[in-house]
Amino acid sequence: GDSVTQMEGPVTLSEEAFLTINCTYTATGYPSLFWYVQYPGEGLQLLLKATKADDKGSNKGFEATYRKETTSFHLEKGSVQVSDSAVYFCALMGSNSGYALNFGKGTSLLVTP
Amino acid sequence: DTGVSQNPRHKITKRGQNVTFRCDPISEHNRLYWYRQTLGQGPEFLTYFQNEAQLEKSRLLSDRFSAERPKGSFSTLEIQRTEQGDSAMYLCASSLGTGAGYTFGSGTRLTVV
Repeated sequence: GDSVTQMEGPVTLSEEAFLTINCTYTATGYPSLFWYVQYPGEGLQLLLKATKADDKGSNKGFEATYRKETTSFHLEKGSVQVSDSAVYFCALMGSNSGYALNFGKGTSLLVTP
Repeated sequence: DTGVSQNPRHKITKRGQNVTFRCDPISEHNRLYWYRQTLGQGPEFLTYFQNEAQLEKSRLLSDRFSAERPKGSFSTLEIQRTEQGDSAMYLCASSLGTGAGYTFGSGTRLTVV
C-alpha cells in the first residue's frame, strides 16, 4: 500500500542554517504530496503541496519538489528561524483514494538562537 | 469562520467508560475526516464523510467506535468501553474537495486511565 518515510529527528539547527528534511514515498499511480507543520500546542497546518511530477511547492521560505524518478519530496529552507521550531509531517494522497492522507512519522525540528 | 473547532480539548476517562467528541468543520466544507495520532507517530486515517454520508472507515475503527455527521454539518466520534490503547489525540479535518488539502482542528486529547 501507499506509505511515506521521513528522516528521523530530532533535528537541531542554529538560526540561519540550511534545512533539509528527507521524505520518500511508495505509491501506485500519481499521488499528491504534502508537507504539514505542527507548532507546539497547535493543530496541523498545511505548509505546501505538489500534485504532479516536477511541481515545486513553496510557502514561508520552505520549498519541496515532487521527484517521481526518486520518489521523493524533500523539504528545504535556506535560512531557518527560531520560530520554525515544530514537527514537520510529509504526507501523500494516493490517486486511488481521493481522500485519505498517509502521513510519515514526523520530524521534530529545533532551531536555537 | 475561524476554522475547524474540536471539543473538548482534553478528556480523561476511566477504562470502560464511553466518550464522545465533537467536530465543527469550516461551514462550506463538504468533506470531514477523523484521524488518530499517538505519541511519536503521524496521524492515522479513521473515517471520512462527504456531506452526511460516511464513505470510508479504516480497519483501525473497531466496532467500539462510531462516527456520525447528521445533516452534513458537525460530526461526533464516540468510543464505547474505552481501553487504555485508545489514549491518543483525535484530530478532525475538513475540506472542500481534495485538491486544496485539509484544514485540521487542534484535536481532542484522550487519556484513558
